[in-house]
Amino acid sequence: QKEVEQDPGPLSVPEGAIVSLNCTYSNSAFQYFMWYRQYSRKGPELLMYTYSSGNKEDGRFTAQVDKSSKYISLFIRDSQPSDSATYLCAMSVNRDDKIIFGKGTRLHILP
Amino acid sequence: EPEVTQTPSHQVTQMGQEVILRCVPISNHLYFYWYRQILGQKVEFLVSFYNNEISEKSEIFDDQFSVERPDGSNFTLKIRSTKLEDSAMYFCASRGAGVEAKNIQYFGAGTRLSVL
Repeated sequence: QKEVEQDPGPLSVPEGAIVSLNCTYSNSAFQYFMWYRQYSRKGPELLMYTYSSGNKEDGRFTAQVDKSSKYISLFIRDSQPSDSATYLCAMSVNRDDKIIFGKGTRLHILP
Repeated sequence: EPEVTQTPSHQVTQMGQEVILRCVPISNHLYFYWYRQILGQKVEFLVSFYNNEISEKSEIFDDQFSVERPDGSNFTLKIRSTKLEDSAMYFCASRGAGVEAKNIQYFGAGTRLSVL
């Protein structure tokens, strides 16, 4: 079983739609959960950060962590063409630990 | 806004040659990392570095790899004898210290290494 699983897509949705991205993981020791956005041939850019379970909202973005199900989600409301990118879920066990990434989901927002 | 800077953006080398990838982390950060991403695959951890020594390294980070912080600003990754399979994007990341820093790692734009 892979440590972090993420559907690679691509996922195409019309502009203005709500986007739901998710990952599952196997290591129950993960405590820090992140979503990074990566544009083509660029470095990952941190979007959302959550410690342990719960929800976090930042503008159009909401991150959810369900540790009991080992499942994390990212929701994007009112999606824009500029949101088109690859979204990487990521997690770590300790604060100064390496980050384990999912493979990334390619998202296309259609104008 | 402070950022992690990597040079060069693209490095082409012949198999068996040594390469040095350079990174300037965010100035007050104390934890440094290298990751790589082979085309079409996920971002993979290579090594973490703190207090002038390696904290952790992955199986990928074998004897051909080394890291160094030669001065107060640069952080380098050296590959002694490159192989075709070393072709990838290499990302440097850095993180601050203290509780507020959490585990938020900031990534550079990457160096694309092409081994011919």
